[in-house]
Amino acid sequence: GQNIDQPTEMTATEGAIVQINCTYQTSGFNGLFWYQQHAGEAPTFLSYNVLDGLEEKGRFSSFLSRSKGYSYLLLKELQMKDSASYLCAVRDSNYQLIWGAGTKLIIKP
Amino acid sequence: IAGITQAPTSQILAAGRRMTLRCTQDMRHNAMYWYRQDLGLGLRLIHYSNTAGTTGKGEVPDGYSVSRANTDDFPLTLASAVPSQTSVYFCASSKTSGVDEQFFGPGTRLTVL
Repeated sequence: GQNIDQPTEMTATEGAIVQINCTYQTSGFNGLFWYQQHAGEAPTFLSYNVLDGLEEKGRFSSFLSRSKGYSYLLLKELQMKDSASYLCAVRDSNYQLIWGAGTKLIIKP
Repeated sequence: IAGITQAPTSQILAAGRRMTLRCTQDMRHNAMYWYRQDLGLGLRLIHYSNTAGTTGKGEVPDGYSVSRANTDDFPLTLASAVPSQTSVYFCASSKTSGVDEQFFGPGTRLTVL
């Protein structure tokens, strides 16, 4: 079967760095997405990785290792507005997105 | 303003009733999707459409139907609602069904009693 695993919840301090991990087992791989979802709102796109390595976009970076079926999202200089759920999704061989349950990130002052 | 709209925002429905959730996008995206989101579970694909005039079944299609008569609209119909269909429903679109990111509507919170 297809499976995306992420921690359910993480807590971090304002101004710090946090790494949210995602491991996957899917039928085929055509890219990995990270989305941010604030409570009661729609998911919004953060990053996309299809090749191994690190993609940096401002305070957010995303890493992919296809051989290990592993990705992480790195958030630097955490702000209170970063409190949200972070969703990992893998595009499978049929080009459909398979979604993890999301990681709820709580930022404390 | 470009984007995706969904209606209604929320709805309480009696079991057995028929309900259509509306979704409209003005980005001229070819592909559209319907997901449901339940607590503790990832987004699950209900139905999708790669282009106007075509539709396909996702992971959890039973009890739902869709149509794609034109590029902009992608309504989701529950023929006879059941309590297990209580969920938050998101419509999404992307330029193509390939590698493009998906853009999401604001969601419809549906409660079936």
